[in-house]
Amino acid sequence: EDQVTQSPEALRLQEGESSSLNCSYTVSGLRGLFWYRQDPGKGPEFLFTLYSAGEEKEKERLKATLTKKESFLHITAPKPEDSATYLCAVQATGTASKLTFGTGTRLQVTL
Amino acid sequence: DGGITQSPKYLFRKEGQNVTLSCEQNLNHDAMYWYRQDPGQGLRLIYYSQIVNDFQKGDIAEGYSVSREKKESFPLTVTSAQKNPTAFYLCASSIRGTSGGSADTQYFGPGTRLTVL
Repeated sequence: EDQVTQSPEALRLQEGESSSLNCSYTVSGLRGLFWYRQDPGKGPEFLFTLYSAGEEKEKERLKATLTKKESFLHITAPKPEDSATYLCAVQATGTASKLTFGTGTRLQVTL
Repeated sequence: DGGITQSPKYLFRKEGQNVTLSCEQNLNHDAMYWYRQDPGQGLRLIYYSQIVNDFQKGDIAEGYSVSREKKESFPLTVTSAQKNPTAFYLCASSIRGTSGGSADTQYFGPGTRLTVL
């Protein structure tokens, strides 16, 4: 059974204080790993797709990396507008594009 | 603007009522999905459809029904058989929905919050 575990559950940072969110996964065969951002009361917003170990992708203050067992979402010099819940999901081979989600990391960035 | 729309944003249901949540996409995607989100839990798949007039049960299909008569539309009915329907419901779509090939990214709508009175 595919599993995704995200840590920490919640993270509070001061503006400018860089940190990383972790997503550990077990999957029979990885087709892709996805990161989404979700604001309260809204649908998840797509951030990144990672396809294979060693891959990295960046967008503004966010950088996602992937190994064979986990993915990290690095946040460099965060701003209050980066406050959100960050969701990680995996898509396994042979699963008709189904996603298995973690429970998310709630990030709060304060001034 | 291309995207996914869900309506209504808020929905209230009395005990014993069936209610239908709307999901429409103009992205020309083949596949569509319904998820349920509860506090402290990951998104859970209710139903998905890879092509018009075909759909499959997800992990928590009991008490729900769907139809896919048009490529653009994938409505979800929450029936009275669903014992705990209060949740945030999310619709998503992806280009292919098939098992093969590279990863197939899902894009989400804004969600419908259903509350049972």
